[in-house]
Amino acid sequence: AQSVTQPDIHITVSEGASLELRCNYSYGATPYLFWYVQSPGQGLQLLLKYFSGDTLVQGIKGFEAEFKRSQSSFNLRKPSVHWSDAAEYFCAVFYGGSQGNLIFGKGTKLSVKP
Amino acid sequence: DGGITQSPKYLFRKEGQNVTLSCEQNLNHDAMYWYRQDPGQGLRLIYYSQIVNDFQKGDIAEGYSVSREKKESFPLTVTSAQKNPTAFYLCASRPTGVNLETQYFGPGTRLLVL
Repeated sequence: AQSVTQPDIHITVSEGASLELRCNYSYGATPYLFWYVQSPGQGLQLLLKYFSGDTLVQGIKGFEAEFKRSQSSFNLRKPSVHWSDAAEYFCAVFYGGSQGNLIFGKGTKLSVKP
Repeated sequence: DGGITQSPKYLFRKEGQNVTLSCEQNLNHDAMYWYRQDPGQGLRLIYYSQIVNDFQKGDIAEGYSVSREKKESFPLTVTSAQKNPTAFYLCASRPTGVNLETQYFGPGTRLLVL
């Protein structure tokens, strides 16, 4: 079955440190890939997406993600984390088909130490 | 301002009661979705609708019902058959077309059982 794996349930980083959140997907062809962020009690906000082309994608709030076909990965990165980045991050994949349904990973909760 | 609204923000359900969660969008999107979010579970698809007067079951449709009488509106009813309704419910919408597979989310409704 098609799936999305976020191996890290909870990550804590110090403010100003770099961040990498991992996402792996299972599929033969290249899907469309998304990262969303969710603050407590809020909806999901789109950070960035990859459909095709340049494998390094820039998003909002200083985030970027790199698609690596050989590793079936789409990891999210930020060079310097701010306290306001503390939230839950979800990777999602669109595998195609007329329904347009996304499959979500279970999320990674990010805590930021002062 | 274009966007997706969900109401109420909090909803309380008594045993045996049906409750309806509202989702409205003014983005002129054709497709709409309902997700349930539980801690550590990510997002699970309840129902989705690609066009008016048509909808499909998602992965966890039992105990829920929907309607799509207008393009802008996709209400979700949590019926008494749903034995564990306490969760955070998210509505999303998406335009249809190539490279338009991005879903946009509302702020969510938290449902609690009294």
